[in-house]
Amino acid sequence: DQQVKQNSPSLSVQEGRISILNCDYTNSMFDYFLWYKKYPAEGPTFLISISSIKDKNEDGRFTVFLNKSAKHLSLHIVPSQPGDSAVYFCAASFFGNEKLTFGTGTRLTIIP
Amino acid sequence: DADVTQTPRNRITKTGKRIMLECSQTKGHDRMYWYRQDPGLGLRLIYYSFDVKDINKGEISDGYSVSRQAQAKFSLSLESAIPNQTALYFCATQGNTEAFFGQGTRLTVV
Repeated sequence: DQQVKQNSPSLSVQEGRISILNCDYTNSMFDYFLWYKKYPAEGPTFLISISSIKDKNEDGRFTVFLNKSAKHLSLHIVPSQPGDSAVYFCAASFFGNEKLTFGTGTRLTIIP
Repeated sequence: DADVTQTPRNRITKTGKRIMLECSQTKGHDRMYWYRQDPGLGLRLIYYSFDVKDINKGEISDGYSVSRQAQAKFSLSLESAIPNQTALYFCATQGNTEAFFGQGTRLTVV
C-alpha cells in the first residue's frame, strides 16, 4: 500500500519556466512533509519542508504548497534551471512516528 | 567530510554470500535508517534504530539484519545474498525533522 504517491515518473520543462511536481498521500495522520532532490551517484538531499499547520512554504526559487483536504502537495520551482535536473522525492511523517515514508520519485529534466 | 559515510560504494557479490554494508555519521543524531532504492519503487525502509539499544524492522526487512554498534555506526547485513537484493542502498540519520543521507552503496548480486 503506497501511502505517498508521485504519479508522474518524469517531467520535462523548458529552462526559465515553472516546474510543478506533485505528490499525493493517503494517511491523514501525516503532519510533516518534505521534498528531497537526488542527483545520480549521490544520496538524496533535503530541499524544503512544510508542516500541516501551513499551506505554503517558500525558500528562494522553491515553494511547497499543501492542500490538506485533498491530501496533496506540490513543489514549484521558478525559474527552472539546468541544475534542477534531478529526481525529486516527496516524503511524509507524523508526530510520534518519525520514520519518513517516501514517494516513488519524479525525474525532472530541464531543457536548455 | 561527509555527514553520513557508507562503505563500500560499489560491490558485486555472488548468490549465497554474506555481505555487510557499513554506515557512520557525524551528525550526532540518535536515529539511523537503512533504505533501498529500486527503479519505480522509490526509497523503501529496511530497518531503523532510534538509539543503540533500539532496532526496528521496516517495510522490507526479510533477508536483512542490522547492528547498531554505536550511536554513530549502523551496519546492514545480507546473510545470504540473492539476485533480487540487487539495488542501491542508502543509510540515513535524522534529527528532529529532515534526514541526511549517505552517498549510497550500489550492490549487485550475481
